[in-house]
Amino acid sequence: EVQLVQSGAEVKKPGESLRISCKGSGYSFTNYWINWVRQMPEKGLEWMGRIDPSDSYTNDNPSFQGHVTISVDKSINTAYLHLSSLQASDTAMYFCARQARSSSSLTADYWGQGTLVTVSS
Amino acid sequence: QSALTQPASVSGSPGQSITISCTGTIVDIGDYNFVSWYQQHPGKAPKVIIFDVSHRPSGLSNRFSGSKSGNTASLTISGLQAEDEADYYCASYTSSTTLYVFGTGTRVTVL
Repeated sequence: EVQLVQSGAEVKKPGESLRISCKGSGYSFTNYWINWVRQMPEKGLEWMGRIDPSDSYTNDNPSFQGHVTISVDKSINTAYLHLSSLQASDTAMYFCARQARSSSSLTADYWGQGTLVTVSS
Repeated sequence: QSALTQPASVSGSPGQSITISCTGTIVDIGDYNFVSWYQQHPGKAPKVIIFDVSHRPSGLSNRFSGSKSGNTASLTISGLQAEDEADYYCASYTSSTTLYVFGTGTRVTVL
């Protein structure tokens, strides 16, 4: 069974940093991109970027540049989303989702359960 | 890259058909057949229901269909059911500054 399991909810203070993990199982981890998607409270979906676990190549959304880093440890089938200098506006649900490497559309067929991040002083 | 434009809400009665539009530009929907649609129920992760403009994932109901004309993609839900009540998002590949862009989202209400 294909699964993407994300790390648990986090409460952080402004200025702190955070790493969210996304562990894949039940499939060949290096054959699929891992995308990250943000959803702020009561708002829509925003594509943040993706990583190819086979070589750590990334595509990033410039809107998040300088604030977000995506990485992977293929030895443990886990992708990471790093958020630095957190602000209240980073309060959101963050999802990881896999996408076939052969897919040009954003066809994310399996998603993590989401990680709720709350930034508050 | 601004979000693709969708109507905020669409409603219909059980059994009816509804269509949700998703308007972009020449750098995304207009020039590429890489449009997907997602359904999201409250508190849940999104679920892909259409990819490459009009293709359905295996096992998905044929009540969902997608199309594209010019810079606008559309999702049609036929035979509307109570379980279709959810938020729907389009997404497209773009040659702009980012790689993918989502739509603003549409809340579907079954009356």
